[in-house]
Amino acid sequence: DQQVKQNSPSLSVQEGRISILNCDYTNSMFDYFLWYKKYPAEGPTFLISISSIKDKNEDGRFTVFLNKSAKHLSLHIVPSQPGDSAVYFCAISRGYSSASKIIFGSGTRLSIRP
Amino acid sequence: DAGVIQSPRHEVTEMGQEVTLRCKPISGHNSLFWYRQTMMRGLELLIYFNNNVPIDDSGMPEDRFSAKMPNASFSTLKIQPSEPRDSAVYFCASSPGTSGNTGELFFGEGSRLTVL
Repeated sequence: DQQVKQNSPSLSVQEGRISILNCDYTNSMFDYFLWYKKYPAEGPTFLISISSIKDKNEDGRFTVFLNKSAKHLSLHIVPSQPGDSAVYFCAISRGYSSASKIIFGSGTRLSIRP
Repeated sequence: DAGVIQSPRHEVTEMGQEVTLRCKPISGHNSLFWYRQTMMRGLELLIYFNNNVPIDDSGMPEDRFSAKMPNASFSTLKIQPSEPRDSAVYFCASSPGTSGNTGELFFGEGSRLTVL
């Protein structure tokens, strides 16, 4: 029962253009939606999040959009830079408490080409 | 400040052997998570603790897997006996657990397990 799906295992984007990563979820009972970035041989690091009561959150080059009716989450990176090449995981978090369960998707490998 | 510390970074063992992975969370963090990363399934949640108490272990594959958190600064994930299909990178993560927690986790660098 996969609650978080990232249907694109990989994505290649030219440097300077926009990268759009997508994520779908099946359960509406989550309070926060997050994106993590992972480089090889390192642990994932938190990138950006959005509350379920919002539909957009922006942080510099990164913007996360939430479409609750479609149960869809996307991450926009603009402009894309070589250092953005990594695996991106979307994640969902239930509850504000410290006992929140955090579930990840399978990841999308983003490659930024010159 | 020290982040989440995992050991060993790499482990190669033979099928049937016991494997113990260790994790030291960030000091002051109340929640600890164990994840497994594979090509097929991405990051799977195995188990998580809050204040040293296991909250949800539904992701633990089978009885061969067990996890403990004897105190706030240490956790172990044990596989006994290990099998080749257990080969993966195992991540430990911790979370502050404060009110309004958005779910931001702090991950260790992972333990790469290879079972021959």
